[in-house]
Amino acid sequence: AQKVTQAQTEISVVEKEDVTLDCVYETRDTTYYLFWYKQPPSGELVFLIRRNSFDEQNEISGRYSWNFQKSTSSFNFTITASQVVDSAVYFCALRPNTGNQFYFGTGTSLTVIP
Amino acid sequence: DSGVTQTPKHLITATGQRVTLRCSPRSGDLSVYWYQQSLDQGLQFLIQYYNGEERAKGNILERFSAQQFPDLHSELNLSSLELGDSALYFCASSVAGAGGPYNEQFFGPGTRLTVL
Repeated sequence: AQKVTQAQTEISVVEKEDVTLDCVYETRDTTYYLFWYKQPPSGELVFLIRRNSFDEQNEISGRYSWNFQKSTSSFNFTITASQVVDSAVYFCALRPNTGNQFYFGTGTSLTVIP
Repeated sequence: DSGVTQTPKHLITATGQRVTLRCSPRSGDLSVYWYQQSLDQGLQFLIQYYNGEERAKGNILERFSAQQFPDLHSELNLSSLELGDSALYFCASSVAGAGGPYNEQFFGPGTRLTVL
């Protein structure tokens, strides 16, 4: 079965704090792809990152970083020095290589308080 | 701006009615996907079309149907609408039809459907 779990439904942090959004996935596929999307209050889904299952190198992009650990089936997302503009719902998603369907987690709503 | 366009942005209708949602993919993308985001079901894949043909099917109700036209735009038809169909409907597009490491899906802004 394919499944993505985002256990944190809502998180609130004060501006400039670091915050980590958790994502745990389940798949029997040996090759798969993991994604993070941001959904700001305006509603659109913004692509943030894709990680291939065969590449466990962590990635940093500005204030964003991602920690992929195959051993624990986790793909966590950290925002450093959070800003009010980071307030949004963040979705983790899994796409097995055998198809093109995305399996989304239920999302984590992040509120950054000024 | 993802390059994927969806119309209309908002739609309010009554139970039992039929509506059509439209999506234009990014230039060069051959695949179109439809997703439903509702409060109780979350973000769910409905259906995928690739170059005019149905490629994959998810949790799409029989009352719903879609098609992709020769110019690659797609329409999602929702009929006999129920209150529970109220949701945000997203269209996404990608270059390829399936698999592959670089087949990101780029999402449109969504159509918010309200069924009264």
